Formats: sequence, structure tokens, C-alpha cells
Amino acid sequence: AQKVTQTQTSISVVEKTTVTMDCVYETRDSSYFLFWYKQTASGEIVFLIRQDSYKKENATVGHYSLNFQKPKSSIGLIITATQIEDSAVYFCAMRPYQGGRALIFGTGTTVSVSP
Amino acid sequence: GGIITQTPKFLIGQEGQKLTLKCQQNFNHDTMYWYRQDSGKGLRLIYYSITENDLQKGDLSEGYDASREKKSSFSLTVTSAQKNEMAVFLCASSPGTGGNQDTQYFGPGTRLLVL
Repeated sequence: AQKVTQTQTSISVVEKTTVTMDCVYETRDSSYFLFWYKQTASGEIVFLIRQDSYKKENATVGHYSLNFQKPKSSIGLIITATQIEDSAVYFCAMRPYQGGRALIFGTGTTVSVSP
Repeated sequence: GGIITQTPKFLIGQEGQKLTLKCQQNFNHDTMYWYRQDSGKGLRLIYYSITENDLQKGDLSEGYDASREKKSSFSLTVTSAQKNEMAVFLCASSPGTGGNQDTQYFGPGTRLLVL
């Protein structure tokens, strides 16, 4: 089965601190692509960052970075220096190399950043 | 840059009614997608299209039809709306495949309520 699991339903942090979110995935494919998206309160879904499975270096974009642990089938998202506007639902998604172009999404983690 | 437009923003229908949702993108992307999001859940793929007049079924295609009339537009039809159905339908597009070509960008969504 191909599946993405986000076990943390919600996380609360104080502004300017670091938040880490977990995501584990299952796939039969040796190559695959991992993504993190952010859904704001208005419902807008924004692409944040991606990790291709063949790349050993963890991806970093702005204050988003990934903790890719391939042997554990894990792709964590780290947000440093959080801001109030980072409050959102964060979705992890996977696209296996085979089987079309569908993204398989996790159920999301709600992050609340308070002053 | 570009934008994805979805119409209508809100759609209220009656049980058994056929309802059509529309999506337009000006990214000049090859591939377009329709996802469904139910409250508190991740997104699930209904249909996608890799080029004009192409259609590929996702896991959730039963009860839906789709049409890729031209490169920039992708329509989804709910063939028979189910009573008390409530969901958000999200359109997305990606440039193609390979490298960063498969990163998907999302529209603002159409919120469906069936009375």
C-alpha cells in the first residue's frame, strides 16, 4: 500500500521558536518525490518545499527545511523563527515514481503560533 | 508567475442534481488535476489530465466526469449530487514531469454543499 501518515494532529508554539512536524510514508517504489504544502485559514494551498528521494542533502527554502531519513521512510518539516502567519495546516504528500502523477496526501498537522 | 481560477467559489445543489465546476490556469502548464478535500482530511485525487483531451482516473473518480477542453481549462462534473454532501474541490496544475516539473500548484477551491 502507498500511504502518507502524519500522526501529530496539532502543535502549538510561541512566535520566534522552532516547530518540527513528522511525516512517514509507505511506497513500493525505489524512487519517489516528497512535498510539503501549507493550507491557510482562507483555504489557500501553497507549495513550500520538496525532497526527491535520490538526493541525500536535506532541502532548505527560506525558513523551511526538511529532515529526510530514508531508512525510516520519514520526511520531517522544520520551521525556524516562526511567525504568527505560519499558523496553518501543513500537509505532507508523496508522489511515487510509478503510478501516474497523483499526490498522496497525509491528513495534515495544524500549527498554531502565538505571540 | 501565473494563477489558477476556480468557479464558482461556492456551489449549493440539490440531491441528484448534475453540477459542474470549472478551473482555468494561465501558467501554460501541461498537467491539471482535480482533488476533493473533506473536513479534517487530506486531499484525494479524482481525475487528472496530462494534455488537452486526455483524462486519467484517480482513486475517487466514481460519481464524477471530467473534461479537458483546452490546455488552460479543466472541468469537473458531479454526475448526481449526494444529499448532505459537503466538500471542497481543489484544482491544481503542474508543468509536466521530471525534475521540478511535477510540483503542483493549487487553485482557491470550490466549496460544495448539497441540500
